Amino acid sequence: SQKIEQNSEALNIQEGKTATLTCNYTNYSPAYLQWYRQDPGRGPVFLLLIRENEKEKRKERLKVTFDTTLKQSLFHITASQPADSATYLCALDRGATNKLIFGTGTLLAVQP
Amino acid sequence: EPEVTQTPSHQVTQMGQEVILHCVPISNHLYFYWYRQILGQKVEFLVSFYNNEISEKSEIFDDQFSVERPDGSNFTLKIRSTKLEDSAMYFCASYGGNYGYTFGSGTRLTVV
Repeated sequence: SQKIEQNSEALNIQEGKTATLTCNYTNYSPAYLQWYRQDPGRGPVFLLLIRENEKEKRKERLKVTFDTTLKQSLFHITASQPADSATYLCALDRGATNKLIFGTGTLLAVQP
Repeated sequence: EPEVTQTPSHQVTQMGQEVILHCVPISNHLYFYWYRQILGQKVEFLVSFYNNEISEKSEIFDDQFSVERPDGSNFTLKIRSTKLEDSAMYFCASYGGNYGYTFGSGTRLTVV
């Protein structure tokens, strides 16, 4: 069955450093890989989408890479701030209107 | 920025009762979804809806569940006879053809 794993349940880093989150998947061939932010008691908020034929995507302090051979995506937040503290979710889908399959998420805590 | 609106934010119901969760998707979006998240677990797909019919549903979405778009703006999820294990956050989402899905803030359903 499909499996999506995100690295360690919690990641603690110092303000100003780069946070790197990992998403690995098996038994799936996604057309898109998406990253969402989720704050406690709130719904996921879309951050970035990368297509299967793209290697890298950037948006302000965010960068996503996608390696379909390794079946892995890396999500980077540069110059991290305490306000970046949240759970970050990786999600896969086979087409733009198809269901999303979510990973369990990584809780990021940025210490001032 | 356009939002997906969900009501109520919190619903407490007795086991065996029917509940209806309400969503107002973004007005020009055509694809609608329901997801749920049991406390401490990942976000799970329930159902997708397009052109006034279900396009896909998960194993979770059994005969106790139904969705409806009664008018041009509302999108509802009905659970006919609630069970304790239906307690979760329920998220509505819509997709309009641009990148990423827009999720609502969720309804916390507590079955007692």
